Amino acid sequence: SQQGEEDPQALSIQEGENATMNCSYKTSINNLQWYRQNSGRGLVHLILIRSNEREKHSGRLRVTLDTSKKSSSLLITASRAADTASYFCATDGYSTLTFGKGTMLLVSP
Amino acid sequence: NAGVTQTPKFQVLKTGQSMTLQCAQDMNHEYMSWYRQDPGMGLRLIHYSVGAGITDQGEVPNGYNVSRSTTEDFPLRLLSAAPSQTSVYFCASSYSLPQGAVPYEQYFGPGTRLTVT
Repeated sequence: SQQGEEDPQALSIQEGENATMNCSYKTSINNLQWYRQNSGRGLVHLILIRSNEREKHSGRLRVTLDTSKKSSSLLITASRAADTASYFCATDGYSTLTFGKGTMLLVSP
Repeated sequence: NAGVTQTPKFQVLKTGQSMTLQCAQDMNHEYMSWYRQDPGMGLRLIHYSVGAGITDQGEVPNGYNVSRSTTEDFPLRLLSAAPSQTSVYFCASSYSLPQGAVPYEQYFGPGTRLTVT
């Protein structure tokens, strides 16, 4: 069963705008990860946030984690057409990661 | 480094046929895993291995077999292919970790697109 669920399922924005996608999960976690998947390719790791962290930055990416609400958000600032991809959150389990169904982001020039 | 490689890229099987999807990594990662990705379902874990000689089942293991005789290779076997196994299969690897510990970032291969008719 899926642990993380991303919202929205799809998001369409213009270049230069910010994109925010959310992930909710059900059970307690040690860390949460975000991945990107370009069409027809494998997933690429973006960022990992630990359960004792509230916010983390990496370039144009900002991830927040609220363990009391069991939710995380990924913000991409000043989006570019090259950011067009699917974005997945992944939560940890016993020796495993569980992925959500993803948010499809379309950035139009 | 080639990273994680998967072969073949595409495969068409008839129902009942068997085949092996190959996965290899050259990063000396102990942890390797297989996922399948279906439309609207995200990625689901099939099998994983925390080191050579150790494998375990994931969420959807039925119909698949794995073994891990070396650190580098983690093949996935379909014993008798069924149309329900039509999917894109991804192999991933990660740094070593004690069994039961949380996996660190995973490195994914490019995938194998399998169609079973």
